[in-house]
This record gives sequence, C-alpha cells and structure tokens, in this order.
Amino acid sequence: QSVLTQPPSASGTPGQRVTISCSGSSSNIGSRPVNWYQQLPGTAPRLLVYSNNQRPSGVPDRFSGSKSGTSASLAISGLQSEDEADYYCAAWDASLNGPYVFGSGTKVTVL
Amino acid sequence: EVQLVQSGAEVKKPGESLRISCTASGYIFTNFWIGWVRQLPGKGLESMGIIYPGDSDTRYSPSFQGQVTISADKSISTAYLHFSSLRASDTAIYYCARDRQRWDSWGQGTLVTVSS
Repeated sequence: QSVLTQPPSASGTPGQRVTISCSGSSSNIGSRPVNWYQQLPGTAPRLLVYSNNQRPSGVPDRFSGSKSGTSASLAISGLQSEDEADYYCAAWDASLNGPYVFGSGTKVTVL
Repeated sequence: EVQLVQSGAEVKKPGESLRISCTASGYIFTNFWIGWVRQLPGKGLESMGIIYPGDSDTRYSPSFQGQVTISADKSISTAYLHFSSLRASDTAIYYCARDRQRWDSWGQGTLVTVSS
C-alpha cells in the first residue's frame, strides 16, 4: 500500500471546484515539499504542482496546491472535461519508505 | 528542450533478463538525478529508485531493493533499469523521470510483458 493516502475517486460537473486530499507523515509531507502529478488516460504522468503550491509553466491557474502539517491538497477550480484523469501526490521521504513516495492516486471524473 | 526517450516495448518469458533504457537530451545529464517508476496494469505509480549519473550514487525504494538494478552511462546520457530474472508480476509500464526536487520531465514509458 502507498505511504501517502488519497481518496480513490472524486467527481464534479463542469465549472465546479474539486479538491483532492493527500495524507502523509512527519517523514514525508510534514518535512518535505509536496508535488502533484496528472496522468491522462494512456499517457505518461506530468508535473502539475511542485513545492506545495507552485505551477510549472503551461499549467493553468485552475490548478492550485496547498499544504498544512502532514497533509496536502490539490484543488481544481472551473473543472473541465479535459481534467478527467488520475492525480497523484508525491514527496521525498526521510524514513525507510524513501527515497520518493507517491500517493495512492485519485481518479477525477467529470460528470 | 528536455527529453527523455525510453526503449521500446518488450515481451519476455519468465526467468529471462532485461535491460530497458532512458536516454536524456536537452540538459546536462550528470547534474540531475533520474528516477524510475513502475505502474502495474490498472494501478498507481510506484517509485523504484533513483540514480545520480554524475557519480552513480543509487538509492532504492525498499520494495525494489535487490529486485532490480539501476545504472547509468554518462558517456551516452542514458540510464538503465535491469531485471536479472523476470517474473510474470513484473508485467507493467516503466517510466523514467528527471528529478529537480520534483520529477519534471518524463519518458514515454516502456511496456514490459512477461508471459510464458
């Protein structure tokens, strides 16, 4: 099982706001920056958010990240059909779980 | 432009060995870690390990320690993932990615199928 825990699914209608949670521990999220990845069906993952709340160039500002303690969240505002994908949180881990751990993944469905 | 290009799909039998590659371009290969990720059919991402091509320092995730070998040849900017004796449970897509404190560039993935 994954070191970082995410809900298996989330959904919303176009235009809605969807939030995905990611729960970890003091050895990962609690002491390291969190990154988020998007994986569209049949494609390689791509970096969506890094260092808790930074977006790489080209990522729409509809995507935003936050972190508090040993948990992190990804919010998608103004949900669009092309946002239907799997989303993974990730962080470096200072314990024996490391060096880099992914969340269990959340499937976002646009209704 | 940063690019990671992986070797093509493989079909192997149990017990066979395999090495898949990840060739980097568009940046200084020896300056950044490269990571490997496994994705079992229909499942999530699992970090396997990382390598620093500058000095070949390698770290494995506990689940993959002793199961695979990660290496790199800096003369040709290529990282490798080696399986010494494949099992059916190794059937998966394997990705490489560049690490800059986040995995910002990814290879296209290599599908490995192990079947008798």
